[in-house]
Amino acid sequence: EAGVTQSPTHLIKTRGQQATLRCSPISGHTSVYWYQQALGLGLQFLLWYDEGEERNRGNFPPRFSGRQFPNYSSELNVNALELEDSALYLCASSPGSNQPQHFGDGTRLSIL
Amino acid sequence: AQSVSQHNHHVILSEAASLELGCNYSYGGTVNLFWYVQYPGQHLQLLLKYFSGDPLVKGIKGFEAEFIKSKFSFNLRKPSVQWSDTAEYFCAVTAYSGSARQLTFGSGTQLTVLP
Repeated sequence: EAGVTQSPTHLIKTRGQQATLRCSPISGHTSVYWYQQALGLGLQFLLWYDEGEERNRGNFPPRFSGRQFPNYSSELNVNALELEDSALYLCASSPGSNQPQHFGDGTRLSIL
Repeated sequence: AQSVSQHNHHVILSEAASLELGCNYSYGGTVNLFWYVQYPGQHLQLLLKYFSGDPLVKGIKGFEAEFIKSKFSFNLRKPSVQWSDTAEYFCAVTAYSGSARQLTFGSGTQLTVLP
């Protein structure tokens, strides 16, 4: 069984640009979660999608947004990039909203 | 809002030593509790979980954790660690009901096992 896949592995952007990160959940999983792992800040919840709908979002500004497609894959978009957005962005999926989450390898976003 | 505290940032042990990593959470309702592990260069993996029932939960690779509701704790234990247990360990909690399904993570504990 293929795990959660994320692309790209590494993304380099400059301040003010926009970044798009992608996630494919494990087959059969309908819930997708996004987390930010920034140096010194630990893992912070960003967004939760289930059945194509945004169910909850963490304490992040509106320039962090995303969506979930009919095939349950998901995109995370970050607009007007700032230096402090540099982090590892992790995607997780679960078969239902109250099941253990399985994580991908992450996308490392570097802002120059 | 729920929060998770892991008291040890870095633990260094010799092989065969016993391990206990502390985890406390704050949340007034029913919770699901998890320990995740991140081995060097690998993604986060589920080590064990507690949803309900027996508060002593056994996970993979000989790890276990005990949920003590009165202490809001979910400490991770292993009787005898191996060099291959070197990794970062994260405690996490999610609310059992309501809209908050996301995991709230502790800050992590880096375990280094010396051969």
